[in-house]
Amino acid sequence: DTAVSQTPKYLVTQMGNDKSIKCEQNLGHDTMYWYKQDSKKFLKIMFSYNNKELIINETVPNRFSPKSPDKAHLNLHINSLELGDSAVYFCASSLSRWGTQYFGPGTRLLVL
Amino acid sequence: EDKVVQSPLSLVVHEGDTVTLNCSYEVTNFRSLLWYKQEKKAPTFLFMLTSSGIEKKSGRLSSILDKKELFSILNITATQTGDSAVYLCAVEAGSNYKLTFGKGTLLTVNP
Repeated sequence: DTAVSQTPKYLVTQMGNDKSIKCEQNLGHDTMYWYKQDSKKFLKIMFSYNNKELIINETVPNRFSPKSPDKAHLNLHINSLELGDSAVYFCASSLSRWGTQYFGPGTRLLVL
Repeated sequence: EDKVVQSPLSLVVHEGDTVTLNCSYEVTNFRSLLWYKQEKKAPTFLFMLTSSGIEKKSGRLSSILDKKELFSILNITATQTGDSAVYLCAVEAGSNYKLTFGKGTLLTVNP
């Protein structure tokens, strides 16, 4: 029944590895987002897709690549992981490009 | 660059107290202001404000927006320990409706 779900919930990996985080929403929303929340709890937008089209691409290293196979899914692939990538990554969705965003439970990534 | 500033950054109160959390912003092409509550996991939506001077209310929580002075407040009356959380303010702005978050206010309500 979960509206916005993410997998995995926790990810512990070594520097230099490549990893993916998956997000799915069953709300019928058109727009999906990836946010990064650092250790100080600061939540910052990374990417946004509307109907599979990239509409927001903030200043994020190109090691991060989002992929939206359909409007219910938005995955995040990270190449060559670095220590500074350790954070909680939240997926969110909204009905359209504006309005209330609903967040997934987060994926806690720890890079060792 | 859009900016959202929340104050205070943290606050400790006793059950039953009333608290006021502040959010000021500087953005280009304001669309809306949203309040979220974040406990251990995902932020959960509280309010969305688009018009000045109209109070939104939900139980003991209420919020109002002043678009002239560029700020919003979130009030919580008769606080309970379950209100302990980080309260996030976010402003939606620009042609791409980007959401910019403040750093949050950590509220701790002691019994």
